[in-house]
Amino acid sequence: EVQLLDSGGGLAQPGESLTVSCAASGFTFRSYGMSWVRQTPGKGLEWVATISGVGASLYYADSVKGRFTISRDNSRNTLYLHMNSLTAEDTAVYYCAKDLHVGHPEWYFDLWGRGTLVTVSS
Amino acid sequence: DIVLTQSPATLSLSPGERATLSCRASHGFDNHLAWYQQKPGQAPRLLIYDASDRAPDIPARFSGSGSGTDFTLTISSLEPEDFAVYYCQQRSEWRSTFGQGTRLEVK
Repeated sequence: EVQLLDSGGGLAQPGESLTVSCAASGFTFRSYGMSWVRQTPGKGLEWVATISGVGASLYYADSVKGRFTISRDNSRNTLYLHMNSLTAEDTAVYYCAKDLHVGHPEWYFDLWGRGTLVTVSS
Repeated sequence: DIVLTQSPATLSLSPGERATLSCRASHGFDNHLAWYQQKPGQAPRLLIYDASDRAPDIPARFSGSGSGTDFTLTISSLEPEDFAVYYCQQRSEWRSTFGQGTRLEVK
């Protein structure tokens, strides 16, 4: 079955770090760009970060640049988002998402995980 | 960043009616625009990409149009399962932004 299973969310205090993961199955993971998108009730959907298929190209939203790191392990078909210096504004449901077409990232997301909730609060 | 403004915020229609949703960009870009549908408790679902191409398995009643700064999603005849929130999304200069969404509700 073609699916993404995101996990690793939870409660973190301001300033702490957290890593969320996304396990892919049912498609050739290394062939597709992958991204993280987050959603909050107040701000709607926000693109966070994107990584190319082999991991050579990384792209970040200004709101997370320098604090978050996207990475992937193609041998484990897993995508990661390591989040440092968390603030309350990072509280959201984090979705991993797959590009529609093989090749360079195109930011069209045809497969999404169920989402994992990250809450930043003291 | 390009800011996408969707209108109306809420659209109230009946099944069988035609829905027209608008997405306006703060400045023009090439037609790398997508539309998504999201239902409560679910992840978004890709409907349209490159402004007018339907994603795989998307019914023909969904169509996209537009260029430059003005884009439209049209649902030709609403089915009961089409009532949801719709988002537009653009990508340019190696980044992406979403609109704030249009809620399509049953009248």
